[in-house]
Parts: sequence; structure tokens; C-alpha cells
Amino acid sequence: NAGVTQTPKFQVLKTGQSMTLQCAQDMNHNSMYWYRQDPGMGLRLIYYSASEGTTDKGEVPNGYNVSRLNKREFSLRLESAAPSQTSVYFCASTVNRGAPGGELFFGEGSRLTVL
Amino acid sequence: KNEVEQSPQNLTAQEGEFITINCSYSVGISALHWLQQHPGGGIVSLFMLSSGKKKHGRLIATINIQEKHSSLHITASHPRDSAVYICAVSYKGTYKYIFGTGTRLKVLA
Repeated sequence: NAGVTQTPKFQVLKTGQSMTLQCAQDMNHNSMYWYRQDPGMGLRLIYYSASEGTTDKGEVPNGYNVSRLNKREFSLRLESAAPSQTSVYFCASTVNRGAPGGELFFGEGSRLTVL
Repeated sequence: KNEVEQSPQNLTAQEGEFITINCSYSVGISALHWLQQHPGGGIVSLFMLSSGKKKHGRLIATINIQEKHSSLHITASHPRDSAVYICAVSYKGTYKYIFGTGTRLKVLA
């Protein structure tokens, strides 16, 4: 039972390069999220998808784009990476069956360094 | 000021000690979540609660809705409990969660 799988686990980029973080869940969850985690700060929401076919900005969306490819997959793209985007990124999902705020399931995290 | 405040930020305990981590929030919520993150690892949900108390093994979570406060207790602590414990809240009518900055726990053998 894989749960939430995100790739890659580690990535080093140069300023200006682009990359996509992939996330997939096999729990038939409706809602998916991308967070970043920085030292001394709580998890901050980048983008979320309440259900298949919808995406919305979180509190720190600048410099990122997302795609909810289908119910299973939610990708995060950095079009032109900046050093300020050095962080650990987590994908999460929850069932949200008509009642937002369900138990969250997280991926293992992706550590991104932008030089 | 963060909507979710945890205390203490750091905690060192001896193996076997009873541990309490606190979480306060500022407005009404639909549920409160306790999460665990081991060093360099992923994040795992421990509890989701909206009232009362839940227990799983040596872990106990309580919530007081009127006081907007929750506690996570660890009985008979063990070095493998060393991790960051994160409190988060979710609100009715929204798909967003608000996270505390975490409590870093180290249990010494």
C-alpha cells in the first residue's frame, strides 16, 4: 500500500532552471495539497486541489504552477527556480468526502536546493 | 502571530518520562490534528480529534474546545519517540489546514 508517493526525493537546480515535482496517491482521495517546509516555520500551503478538475492558490503560490492531472496525480512545477525556493516540499492528500478537514496523508518529501 | 501556537518549541526528556506538548489555536475549528515527523523523514498523522480524548498505544491526545487548547501526552517515553510533533487545525467550510511550527522532542536513553 504505497499511500502518497512523490518524486524526486532530492534535486539540485541552478537559478533559472525549471522542474516538476510529481505526486500520486492510491487512496482514492479527493483533495491534494502541496506544502513547503522551511526552518522555524510551519508548513505553508503553495497550492491545493479540493477535487479533480479544480486547483486554488494557497498562501505562497508565487513562482509555482500546478496540474491536477487526474484524481490520483497532482504535480508542482517551478518554471524558473530561485534560491528562495530552496525548501523541503511535501505533497499531501485527504478524502474530504463532503466534509473538509479530514485526516492528512503525506508523502516522504522532496528536498530541493536552488543554487 | 500564528493562528496555531505550540509549546514548548524544544523538549529534552529522559527515557521513561511522561511528556506533554501543548497546542493553542485562536478561532473555532472543525478538527485538530497531531502529526509526527522523524528527522529527515516524512510526516505521519497521529490523531485527528474534534472533542474529548483519543489514545493510541502510549500516545494520548486531548482537546478542550472551550479553551481552544489541545495536549499530546506520551507515557513511558522512549528514544524512538524523538521527533518533531506538529499541531494543525482545519476549519469548517474550507479545505485549508493551519500548522504550528512544531515541538522538537529528544528522548535520551
